[in-house]
Amino acid sequence: DAKTTQPPSMDCAEGRAANLPCNHSTISGNEYVYWYRQIHSQGPQYIIHGLKNNETNEMASLIITEDRKSSTLILPHATLRDTAVYYCIAGMSGAGSYQLTFGKGTKLSVIP
Amino acid sequence: AAGVIQSPRHLIKEKRETATLKCYPIPRHDTVYWYQQGPGQDPQFLISFYEKMQSDKGSIPDRFSAQQFSDYHSELNMSSLELGDSALYFCASRERGGGNEQFFGPGTRLTVL
Repeated sequence: DAKTTQPPSMDCAEGRAANLPCNHSTISGNEYVYWYRQIHSQGPQYIIHGLKNNETNEMASLIITEDRKSSTLILPHATLRDTAVYYCIAGMSGAGSYQLTFGKGTKLSVIP
Repeated sequence: AAGVIQSPRHLIKEKRETATLKCYPIPRHDTVYWYQQGPGQDPQFLISFYEKMQSDKGSIPDRFSAQQFSDYHSELNMSSLELGDSALYFCASRERGGGNEQFFGPGTRLTVL
């Protein structure tokens, strides 16, 4: 799996958009970008994933650069409950089992 | 909606004892993963099962073993427990034919004294 690099921490004001960057310059053509988050000691929670097109769901938006070397997770209106460690993971999809390789992640603190 | 169930939620054992952790995946999920998260650490992959067969192995000690049963639930067996085995153990499951979105359980907190 490709290695990903994220800033160790970020702050965001409540109600503002949180933009979390991720670099994955060695990602291969068939690897997806997955985002998970972990709220203190809870099980990680799947957020969104994408291959090359931008994606949006009820939780977040994922913007992937055209060269696929980086991406940004956007939480449009951050709330205090979004305070968590956010993990960007490059991985495969489809048949078979593909484990997740968690890196250090970004600790997002949403400030009132 | 149904979620991944793990039991027990908390477990306290002495050194050299054994422990069994159980995981019940979401219905229609055929793939189960086990992860270990030590204090202040990020989750690390241990082992996975796909259609009741072991599919991948990560940094799982030889003292640990696991299996997936006919009803797709999985058990992680840990023997000769060491202080360093104290951690959160997460189970995750993935839907049959789905992408790689994994759904995690609440975890079992194992404390070895």
